[in-house]
Amino acid sequence: QKEVEQNSGPLSVPEGAIASLNCTYSDRGSQSFFWYRQYSGKSPELIMSIYSNGDKEDGRFTAQLNKASQYVSLLIRDSQPSDSATYLCAVNPGGNTPLVFGKGTRLSVIA
Amino acid sequence: GAGVSQSPRYKVAKRGQDVALRCDPISGHVSLFWYQQALGQGPEFLTYFQNEAQLDKSGLPSDRFFAERPEGSVSTLKIQRTQQEDSAVYLCASSLLNQPQHFGDGTRLSIL
Repeated sequence: QKEVEQNSGPLSVPEGAIASLNCTYSDRGSQSFFWYRQYSGKSPELIMSIYSNGDKEDGRFTAQLNKASQYVSLLIRDSQPSDSATYLCAVNPGGNTPLVFGKGTRLSVIA
Repeated sequence: GAGVSQSPRYKVAKRGQDVALRCDPISGHVSLFWYQQALGQGPEFLTYFQNEAQLDKSGLPSDRFFAERPEGSVSTLKIQRTQQEDSAVYLCASSLLNQPQHFGDGTRLSIL
């Protein structure tokens, strides 16, 4: 059973702070990793993808991958109230296959 | 360009009725996925198409669930003899081969 684990939160951070979201996965052979943002009542929106160990930065977002530890994280710098949403970690076990999602972490940025 | 389009956005049905949910993927996307998302949970895989071929239907919860994509574009997810536990948001995603998936807004299904 392939599993993706996330802390459900809520994670509360003050405006302007760094939000750190974490995810672990069970399938060591997993090849690609994604972070989706989901506002209440809306569909998941892809915000980051990462395929190799290390950091990947895109604007205020940084994804970090450590395949040896089976761990992927998302950092959001200068958090804004508009970042308040549920962040879903998704793992692709390999090839053109369905994503395995975590339950999501609810982030609340307090103004 | 247009994203993934799903209809209806909301569907209310009585227990025992049949429902059909439609997904119109991004033009040119070969892969199409259906997921079910319960309240407070992440999406869970139902079935996957590559063009018109249904390559994986291992996530369909029962034989009351049926999906098709006859011309390799629009897909329909049909649920027969609906039960209360079928109430959820049904998400469709599409992608190019081996590329990230993009989701539609989903259909929120409520079974009374």
